[in-house]
Amino acid sequence: QPVLTQSSSASASLGSSVKLTCTLSSGHSRHIIAWHQQQPGKAPRYLMKLEGSGSYNKGSGLPDRFSGSSSGADRYLTISNLQSEDEADYYCETWDSNIAVFGGGTRLTVL
Amino acid sequence: QLQLQESGPGLVKPSETLSLTCTVSGDSISSSSYYWGWIRQPPGKGLEWIGSIYYSGTTYYNPSLKSRVTISVDTSKNQFSLKLSSVTAADTAVYYCARQPKYSSSSDYWGQGTLVTVSS
Repeated sequence: QPVLTQSSSASASLGSSVKLTCTLSSGHSRHIIAWHQQQPGKAPRYLMKLEGSGSYNKGSGLPDRFSGSSSGADRYLTISNLQSEDEADYYCETWDSNIAVFGGGTRLTVL
Repeated sequence: QLQLQESGPGLVKPSETLSLTCTVSGDSISSSSYYWGWIRQPPGKGLEWIGSIYYSGTTYYNPSLKSRVTISVDTSKNQFSLKLSSVTAADTAVYYCARQPKYSSSSDYWGQGTLVTVSS
């Protein structure tokens, strides 16, 4: 099964941009992933599906500040013009042979 | 507007069976386009996929939990359910149900989650 690797934490200033990374394990670099946001005390929220080509489909109502991109085995989530409500945990998800896997999550702090 | 709502006991004794139900509204669980899944999150930790079911009853389970998990579907009630047997304190978690579009590698709608504590 694929392994998804995420940095445990990231931080950026209010109004700036941040790029979070989810790395697919060897042999799985073409996998589609999904990004999810989990604000404190809330359920995860689906953000987008992101393909290896860099093409992405956002969930309904997601602001344009959120975008996705890819390079090799890396899948990125970029958040521009950071707002205080973007402070959250961000998880990536993928599937392989009908088995789902989540990354360990990145805690984003907005300074 | 699609909604998923988990329900079930919030406290389960060690060695007993945890049972939860997810009620789906705003969409038919019999749709051929989706799987319906369970995901859990121990306090302060990350997300762990438990398993998923198709409306036909086809199931897929996390290999690490497979021996203890049963997921079933009741299309007449637009519900699907989770049973986890022989629970221990390590099974204490918030349990989420989610919709998972086929071929999309994603869980695109989540329930609000329910905390299940395993304790005597």
